[in-house]
Amino acid sequence: AQTVTQSQPEMSVQEAETVTLSCTYDTSESDYYLFWYKQPPSRQMILVIRQEAYKQQNATENRFSVNFQKAAKSFSLKISDSQLGDAAMYFCAYRRGYSTLTFGKGTMLLVSP
Amino acid sequence: DTEVTQTPKHLVMGMTNKKSLKCEQHMGHRAMYWYKQKAKKPPELMFVYSYEKLSINESVPSRFSPECPNSSLLNLHLHALQPEDSALYLCASSHLGQGLGETQYFGPGTRLLVL
Repeated sequence: AQTVTQSQPEMSVQEAETVTLSCTYDTSESDYYLFWYKQPPSRQMILVIRQEAYKQQNATENRFSVNFQKAAKSFSLKISDSQLGDAAMYFCAYRRGYSTLTFGKGTMLLVSP
Repeated sequence: DTEVTQTPKHLVMGMTNKKSLKCEQHMGHRAMYWYKQKAKKPPELMFVYSYEKLSINESVPSRFSPECPNSSLLNLHLHALQPEDSALYLCASSHLGQGLGETQYFGPGTRLLVL
């Protein structure tokens, strides 16, 4: 069974700084998808970024980028120029094909002015 | 448009009540999901519908009854719930098939309180 591990229950960052959230996963598959979801206090789960395992290039969405290390089974999220609106719970998730989505336990990101 | 809508936003019910949660999407997705989420925890999968047929039931108690009337709608019927069923109930949808993204899009959820 696939597992997703987020080892940082909570992280803090100041506005305009950069923060990296860690995620590791365990799978024997070679083709799969990885996601970072953000859930602000309003509770709506929002897709932040998505990575296909067959793509070597790291995905980027504006201030959000990932460092995907397939051999190491690592998928970290970097948030640049942090903003107050980035404060949220961040979930890393894994999915292969038609299988269900496996979530990590989440990392709460706190952003201070 | 990546919108999944859910109604109601909040629901308070007694243990003898019958209520329903509703989810709707118009993205042409043929997979729809119900999740239960407790505070500060990841969502837990309850049910998956593929092409309007129930494909996964994660051993959910029968007091939760899902229904998919058509490809855009998903309901969750609630009956005789327990206080421990109080949670945020999230609906999600996605395409089916490789190369179509596999991304699940979530609704805002229904916050349920069982008294």
